[in-house]
Amino acid sequence: DVKVTQSSRYLVKRTGEKVFLECVQDMDHENMFWYRQDPGLGLRLIYFSYDVKMKEKGDIPEGYSVSREKKERFSLILESASTNQTSMYLCASSFIDRGKRRAKNIQYFGAGTRLSVL
Amino acid sequence: DQQVKQNSPSLSVQEGRISILNCDYTNSMFDYFLWYKKYPAEGPTFLISISSIKDKNEDGRFTVFLNKSAKHLSLHIVPSQPGDSAVYFCAASHSGTYKYIFGTGTRLKVLA
Repeated sequence: DVKVTQSSRYLVKRTGEKVFLECVQDMDHENMFWYRQDPGLGLRLIYFSYDVKMKEKGDIPEGYSVSREKKERFSLILESASTNQTSMYLCASSFIDRGKRRAKNIQYFGAGTRLSVL
Repeated sequence: DQQVKQNSPSLSVQEGRISILNCDYTNSMFDYFLWYKKYPAEGPTFLISISSIKDKNEDGRFTVFLNKSAKHLSLHIVPSQPGDSAVYFCAASHSGTYKYIFGTGTRLKVLA
């Protein structure tokens, strides 16, 4: 069973603070993703990583950065939190099955971190 | 620019009846489509997928239909059960990427 664990379920921070959201997966997956979920907007991709130290911007990377120093861990960093970053943040991972076309690699999600920036 | 759209934010269905959730997309490059289910306080979980070479895929009570010419897919749940009450997201991708584009979600409520 794939397990994707996000370190916090709820987080409250103040504007201007540096915020770290941590995600760990235990299935040796190559790919890891960070999304945010907002009402009426669905899930939007912030960043993803397809290997250690590799990262690629998603659809809404502004105001965020990421770090992947180890294969199992993918961190999302809010350099200076703002109120418009109040959201549900979801981490996901997927493996690379080289026998399949890329899109067919199922993403497995963590339970999410609800971040409030005051 | 919403490439994947779920135009119904919510849907209520009586237990035992059919639930039909719809999804439209605009990008003709998409060739793989998925449905995820999300309960409150949990992450989305994969439900069913379909490749563009098919027009139907079935898994138990869940069937996904794909109409490529209309750029439309739908998820049918038969029979609907109260435990199916959740938010359903459709997602689309193409073979050159690991990224998904998600729709905005439809909240399904199955009434007992």
